[in-house]
Amino acid sequence: AQTVTQSQPEMSVQEAETVTLSCTYDTSENNYYLFWYKQPPSRQMILVIRQEAYKQQNATENRFSVNFQKAAKSFSLKISDSQLGDTAMYFCAFMKLKRNSGNTPLVFGKGTRLSVIA
Amino acid sequence: GAVVSQHPSRVICKSGTSVKIECRSLDFQATTMFWYRQFPKQSLMLMATSNEGSKATYEQGVEKDKFLINHASLTLSTLTVTSAHPEDSSFYICSASPGPRNSPLHFGNGTRLTVT
Repeated sequence: AQTVTQSQPEMSVQEAETVTLSCTYDTSENNYYLFWYKQPPSRQMILVIRQEAYKQQNATENRFSVNFQKAAKSFSLKISDSQLGDTAMYFCAFMKLKRNSGNTPLVFGKGTRLSVIA
Repeated sequence: GAVVSQHPSRVICKSGTSVKIECRSLDFQATTMFWYRQFPKQSLMLMATSNEGSKATYEQGVEKDKFLINHASLTLSTLTVTSAHPEDSSFYICSASPGPRNSPLHFGNGTRLTVT
């Protein structure tokens, strides 16, 4: 079974600064995806960024980037130029690849509550 | 982009009654949908995998007779909480993917269930 650990229950950052959220995972799988989801107070789950395990290059989406260390099973999220709208719960998630067609469910970490302070 | 619609967004029911929650994929077909449960200030926990045309697969500890899942078409899965009790009060959220395999999962907006 896979597990995802987010060791920072809460974090805060000043507006325009940079913050890094940590995530580690445990799996015996070799092929999988990793995700960061954002959940604002509306509780809608919003995909922030995705990383395919077979890709060595770290994924980047505008102000969001990851540091993926496959050997260390680490997948941290860096938010640059933090904005007030980034305030939310952030979940790290793991999804293993199926050999055949179809999808597998996400395994979530416990989340990190990020507050961006003006 | 792919859209998943979940209805209702909020529901309040009396203890002992049943509540049905719908999850629809609006612009794609989904042979598999997933149902999660989220307690306040906690993470999403997988309850079951809904499979079109066959029985759902439940996670350990989830009562299949209490949480009935029906996936009668490629665009609709329903979760019925039967004989609801206050401890069933939670946030329920579904997800689905348009494929191909392992494409990102899209989430419904969730249903806040309150059992009085």
